[in-house]
Amino acid sequence: GAGVSQSPRYKVAKRGQDVALRCDPISGHVSLFWYQQALGQGPEFLTYFQNEAQLDKSGLPSDRFFAERPEGSVSTLKIQRTQQEDSAVYLCASSSLGHRVDNEQFFGPGTRLTVL
Amino acid sequence: SQQGEEDPQALSIQEGENATMNCSYKTSINNLQWYRQNSGRGLVHLILIRSNEREKHSGRLRVTLDTSKKSSSLLITASRAADTASYFCATDAGSDYKLSFGAGTTVTVRA
Repeated sequence: GAGVSQSPRYKVAKRGQDVALRCDPISGHVSLFWYQQALGQGPEFLTYFQNEAQLDKSGLPSDRFFAERPEGSVSTLKIQRTQQEDSAVYLCASSSLGHRVDNEQFFGPGTRLTVL
Repeated sequence: SQQGEEDPQALSIQEGENATMNCSYKTSINNLQWYRQNSGRGLVHLILIRSNEREKHSGRLRVTLDTSKKSSSLLITASRAADTASYFCATDAGSDYKLSFGAGTTVTVRA
């Protein structure tokens, strides 16, 4: 079976452009996470969905960041009016159960966003 | 903010040698996990150790956890070129779902 997929793998945007990053989780996985990974750093939590409900968006850096998962499967992370500090790898992960942190998270390959 | 800190930041070893890296964290945890990230690829889960466990093995990996010192170590024995990657520890930091990662240790295994 397929793992978590993300698209595009690479995105170059001019400062001020809007971007949309897509995540296809493993089929049937209830939980979906977005993380941001700056160069040379570990991933940092952005937001968490359980099915279509966004239960935690405390890690989103600003109101320019918006995530949705309308049908409880595919998720989109949108960044409006991109800034250079948004340049990072955006990782999506899914897991099969709900609130269970020892439930393994499966990560996608990430989208590398470069804002010029 | 990142919960864990790995030490060293980078490690270079010869194939066949063992590699040891450490992780320190700040708050109480329910469990600690180690992940591997190869260049250009996503994170792969390696091993999870619960707070009531002191040591765990998986193949060539050995993980220890000392909750009194808030630290963990990952040992890779008989390293191979394919072990070249960045290794991250991640804790739950008391959350039911959120992982907090350290900055990682970059391991290079020379042939």
